[in-house]
Amino acid sequence: VQLVQSGAEVKKPGESLKISCKASGYSFPSFWIGWVRQLPGKGLEWMGIIYPGDSDTRYGPTFQGQVTISADKSISTAYLQWSSLKASDTAIYYCIKHTGSAWEIDSWGQGTLVTVSS
Amino acid sequence: DVVMTQSPLSLPVSLGQPASISCRSSQSLVYSDGKTYLNWFHQRPGQPPRRLIYKVSYRDSGVPNRFSGSGSGTDFKLEISRVEAEDVGVYYCMQGTLWPPGTFGQGTKLEIK
Repeated sequence: VQLVQSGAEVKKPGESLKISCKASGYSFPSFWIGWVRQLPGKGLEWMGIIYPGDSDTRYGPTFQGQVTISADKSISTAYLQWSSLKASDTAIYYCIKHTGSAWEIDSWGQGTLVTVSS
Repeated sequence: DVVMTQSPLSLPVSLGQPASISCRSSQSLVYSDGKTYLNWFHQRPGQPPRRLIYKVSYRDSGVPNRFSGSGSGTDFKLEISRVEAEDVGVYYCMQGTLWPPGTFGQGTKLEIK
């Protein structure tokens, strides 16, 4: 399994952004894939997931309405997007793959650093 | 929502000595299938987390056997039998049983004394 994320981004407050995660080595439509946030110097926060097979998408309470998760199963890629970034969105974002066993996570992408600064 | 509480948050250990990290959940992590979905991850500086343990006590492929996980219900432990230099970093427990999933502990920073 490999999850390869798009590169670091520097944006201004109010701008939009879409980052990506290209998956390989497994059946992309058949496993939940999602995102975890790590604020600078802080711990890990689960954001939400999507099931690419039917696009069922679920969000953690903190992130509902703040971000949009999507996927394109034709190219085995998941996305995380913001319509209007804030400085507080500055963080590393990790793509994660859930296993088929309950909600365990078995794979991580390398991380995408998003910096939002005026 | 379930809360995962780790202790200690800082763990200075001498090389070759054992180390132990505790993780407690606010609710039972026994899933409807009777299994318990508790993971341990290790994150080195500047790297993504890597899973060490799944379903409480199963080591992932390539994880040295000096790492072991134990526990049940709400109380879990990660033990390192003899700490090596490559073990420094932050260790996180995570529950994969309850919704919303992916609830992590605060992290335990292991450093060499």
